Amino acid sequence: GNSVTQMEGPVTLSEEAFLTINCTYTATGYPSLFWYVQYPGEGLQLLLKATKADDKGSNKGFEATYRKETTSFHLEKGSVQVSDSAVYFCAVSNGGATNKLIFGTGTLLAVQP
Amino acid sequence: NAGVTQTPKFQVLKTGQSMTLQCAQDMNHNSMYWYRQDPGMGLRLIYYSASEGTTDKGEVPNGYNVSRLNKREFSLRLESAAPSQTSVYFCASIRLAVPYEQYFGPGTRLTVT
Repeated sequence: GNSVTQMEGPVTLSEEAFLTINCTYTATGYPSLFWYVQYPGEGLQLLLKATKADDKGSNKGFEATYRKETTSFHLEKGSVQVSDSAVYFCAVSNGGATNKLIFGTGTLLAVQP
Repeated sequence: NAGVTQTPKFQVLKTGQSMTLQCAQDMNHNSMYWYRQDPGMGLRLIYYSASEGTTDKGEVPNGYNVSRLNKREFSLRLESAAPSQTSVYFCASIRLAVPYEQYFGPGTRLTVT
């Protein structure tokens, strides 16, 4: 079945630093890929998504490119802010009417001023 | 449009007690899901419902039951709570079109003593 491997945290950065959170997946077919963000005390929110190879998802300065050749979907941001401190989850779907998401274990990002 | 709502937000149970977690969505989504979130383990699927009147087991269904009351509501029941069920529970629903992104509720934090 599908699976996701995500870099372990916590990741601690200073404000304005460059962020990369690695995510690789195993899947059959052509799944959709997602990054979700969870702020303290809240539920998960969709951050960005990509549906096919070479698609780039982007939102709020974050980007991730669907790389089928390396089965990766790494999250990047050029300049992080304190308000970006959260847990980030990579996820892969199996698509269809009974779509299930398989989540990575999450990466805690802490941005210091 | 409230999205996905969950009640209660917090609950403390004694071992052996029962309770029902409520979830509702107003987006006319067909599929709904229950996850639990535990430290270091990401989100794990407990049960899902592809459509009104159907339910299926996910990765960790033991100790839980679900009811898809109608298209809007999907409840999760703990018949005899155990300390191992201490967790944060999230309900989600899905828009049935590519990329099949899931929308999450705010979560219920459950402690079983």
